[in-house]
Amino acid sequence: DIQMTQSPSSLSASVGDRVTITCQASQDIRKYLNWYQQKAGKAPHLLIYDASKLETGVPSRFSGSGSGTDFTFTISSLQPEDIATYYCQQFDNFPRTFGQGTKLEIE
Amino acid sequence: EGQLVESGGGLVQPGESLRLSCAASGFTFSSFWMSWVRQAPGKGLEWVASIKQDGSEKFYVDSVKGRFTISRDNAKNSLYLQMNSLRAEDTAVYYCARGRNNHRAWGQGTLVTVSS
Repeated sequence: DIQMTQSPSSLSASVGDRVTITCQASQDIRKYLNWYQQKAGKAPHLLIYDASKLETGVPSRFSGSGSGTDFTFTISSLQPEDIATYYCQQFDNFPRTFGQGTKLEIE
Repeated sequence: EGQLVESGGGLVQPGESLRLSCAASGFTFSSFWMSWVRQAPGKGLEWVASIKQDGSEKFYVDSVKGRFTISRDNAKNSLYLQMNSLRAEDTAVYYCARGRNNHRAWGQGTLVTVSS
């Protein structure tokens, strides 16, 4: 199985800050990576697919990059409504696997 | 965009069975792979199973192989998860999600608690 190592596990930042989360795959997954946002008590929501493609309707402050084994998720200017847990997920192989999540808080 | 509504969760004892359902609307259900993803209390997301449009291909996480069965009824726009021999570690919110690779639609989740 492909292991997804996400870091950091938690992050505290101020409104307007640039926030970066990384995700490393245990083997080459090409660009087959998604990023999801999950707010407390809600279902996950797809933000980025194919490593760098912004899902329709998602604000442009969210972006993704990377390929192979190393990926980055960035919020260019943190907003209060971005408080959530973020997950990467690979879809190169079954079983699909998620990173352990990054809980983002506002300072 | 589509709506997914799960049902069938509840409290069961270890070793018992439960069947989850997911009712789909607002999109052509038969055109999409469908999946189940779960989340244990306070934990991260775990993919459980996926099924092809016509049911001819199914994939499972190792921890549920031989105990869980994913199925679908395209005439009823419904997805199912038959869960047998339930264990305490199966306790989670179970989400149905549309798609094989990118889950663009999710249900609200149904809680399954396995406890004596």
